[in-house]
Amino acid sequence: DAKTTQPNSMESNEEEPVHLPCNHSTISGTDYIHWYRQLPSQGPEYVIHGLTSNVNNRMASLAIAEDRKSSTLILHRATLRDAAVYYCILSRGATNKLIFGTGTLLAVQP
Amino acid sequence: GAGVSQTPSNKVTEKGKYVELRCDPISGHTALYWYRQSLGQGPEFLIYFQGTGAADDSGLPNDRFFAVRPEGSVSTLKIQRTERGDSAVYLCASSPGLAGRETQYFGPGTRLLVL
Repeated sequence: DAKTTQPNSMESNEEEPVHLPCNHSTISGTDYIHWYRQLPSQGPEYVIHGLTSNVNNRMASLAIAEDRKSSTLILHRATLRDAAVYYCILSRGATNKLIFGTGTLLAVQP
Repeated sequence: GAGVSQTPSNKVTEKGKYVELRCDPISGHTALYWYRQSLGQGPEFLIYFQGTGAADDSGLPNDRFFAVRPEGSVSTLKIQRTERGDSAVYLCASSPGLAGRETQYFGPGTRLLVL
């Protein structure tokens, strides 16, 4: 299973943009890049996913490097409710088994 | 519509006992997954089902763990002869299908404490 590397923690101020990086240098052509987040005492929650092109949805944007070896989750205006652990995960095209790492703990300061 | 539900939300048991954890997936979702999360760690894959069959059970730690999904909907994770190291949050997720692009929808988890 392809692995991802993320910083252990990051801090942001409320109302400011946040860029959460993820390295996945061993990604294969059929691997999708998924981002999930987990708020305290809750199950993980889907944020966004992509394959090759940048993606936008109501929660965030996903910027994927041209060589696909890294990606960045962008929260355009952080709120206190965005404080969570963010996981960057690769899933193989034929299956959907998610292999979680330890993720990035995002703290948002008022 | 209703999301993934798991029961019980908390379970306290004694070492050596048998426990069953239940997962009700989103209606119509053919794929169902079990994960286990220890304190301070990310979720760890256990098993997933496509319909009634276990498509991949490579994450089950040993033969004390078993899961079923007899009618392709509700699933039960069964743990025999529980050990203190089994204490964790057990998460269930479902998705419309198995393809790598599918979103998984997680339940709130069952917190298992083995004394």
